[in-house]
Amino acid sequence: DGGITQSPKYLFRKEGQNVTLSCEQNLNHDAMYWYRQDPGQGLRLIYYSQIVNDFQKGDIAEGYSVSREKKESFPLTVTSAQKNPTAFYLCASSIIGQLFNEKLFFGSGTQLSVL
Amino acid sequence: AQTVTQSQPEMSVQEAETVTLSCTYDTSESDYYLFWYKQPPSRQMILVIRQEAYKQQNATENRFSVNFQKAAKSFSLKISDSQLGDAAMYFCAYSSSGTYKYIFGTGTRLKVLA
Repeated sequence: DGGITQSPKYLFRKEGQNVTLSCEQNLNHDAMYWYRQDPGQGLRLIYYSQIVNDFQKGDIAEGYSVSREKKESFPLTVTSAQKNPTAFYLCASSIIGQLFNEKLFFGSGTQLSVL
Repeated sequence: AQTVTQSQPEMSVQEAETVTLSCTYDTSESDYYLFWYKQPPSRQMILVIRQEAYKQQNATENRFSVNFQKAAKSFSLKISDSQLGDAAMYFCAYSSSGTYKYIFGTGTRLKVLA
């Protein structure tokens, strides 16, 4: 079955540590996204990528980094510079270039907590 | 910049009754898409319904329908014959055509009372 796989489901970070959240899709989608979800704040865009080896900052990119070396993969690194990383992180993907078919598909999310 | 506003943090509805969730958005674009996503306790995001701005006809999907008022920039979701399984967070989202960038509101938590 096609879909988006996020791992791990739960992740704990120690002070000063970088952690990486994995996102893999087999939908052959060009675009991939990372959103952060905090209670009462909805989904906020961290980074997005529409093509391999290219990505753009979203609204809250500070303290995060991404790479897009393969079409299928879009890992997110939460760096030690992100002082409040505790949140639920959602990866998503979408088709590009198909008129009338624009919509987001989501993974099942990663809950990141600080120890 | 485009924004999406959901002014109802929480709503309740009796089972089998109808409820309407509100969403307003701000944009200067004329060609865009609007969405309602459902997030049940499992936290998996599920697309409920989608509306193209150029279409005057309101989208419907079984018990879910929208009231799209383009001039007022309003996009409400009506759930008819509410069921216990409809209890979830509902997010309104916007995307300007061709940008492939999706903006979400803060969500409305829907409780369904038996």
